[in-house]
Amino acid sequence: DAGVIQSPRHEVTEMGQEVTLRCKPISGHDYLFWYRQTMMRGLELLIYFNNNVPIDDSGMPEDRFSAKMPNASFSTLKIQPSEPRDSAVYFCASRTRNEQFFGPGTRLTVL
Amino acid sequence: DAKTTQPPSMDCAEGRAANLPCNHSTISGNEYVYWYRQIHSQGPQYIIHGLKNNETNEMASLIITEDRKSSTLILPHATLRDTAVYYCIVRSGGSNYKLTFGKGTLLTVNP
Repeated sequence: DAGVIQSPRHEVTEMGQEVTLRCKPISGHDYLFWYRQTMMRGLELLIYFNNNVPIDDSGMPEDRFSAKMPNASFSTLKIQPSEPRDSAVYFCASRTRNEQFFGPGTRLTVL
Repeated sequence: DAKTTQPPSMDCAEGRAANLPCNHSTISGNEYVYWYRQIHSQGPQYIIHGLKNNETNEMASLIITEDRKSSTLILPHATLRDTAVYYCIVRSGGSNYKLTFGKGTLLTVNP
């Protein structure tokens, strides 16, 4: 298995632009998580899904952030419009039993 | 979920055992202790978890005190590749699979 796949690995954009981050979970995993990591705030859970349904989005910072999971093998995290303070590494993870498996992350830089 | 306290950093000599402590004095009866680690620029990686009993797997051992107020992660023979930030996390049982990451302990394994 290739593990959790995220794309792009790096994204540089300008303030105000729309950013879409993508995640393909491990096949058969029924939970998917989106995290954000910054030096200041550490690793924060943004939202998680169970069987493609959002369960807890209390970590989503504001309405500029949205996440979808149209099917069991794909999820997106969208930021519109992006701001410099959104610069961070965004991780996607999927879960089976007791482990969360994390992807390699997307490093987002908003200029 | 109960809060955890970890030392910010530790050093260990290569080949020696690394013992990473974690305090979770407010843990409740149905809360599990999880350990993850994050090697620089990678996503976090699951190591081990436990409820009451000590646990061992191919990566590490987890020792939980009888009162469950603290635990120790043991890497029996640390290598340079074990240099990472180690997170101790307390998670409720049941269907809430949120993980709340603190600042963790930066373990540096020295040659």
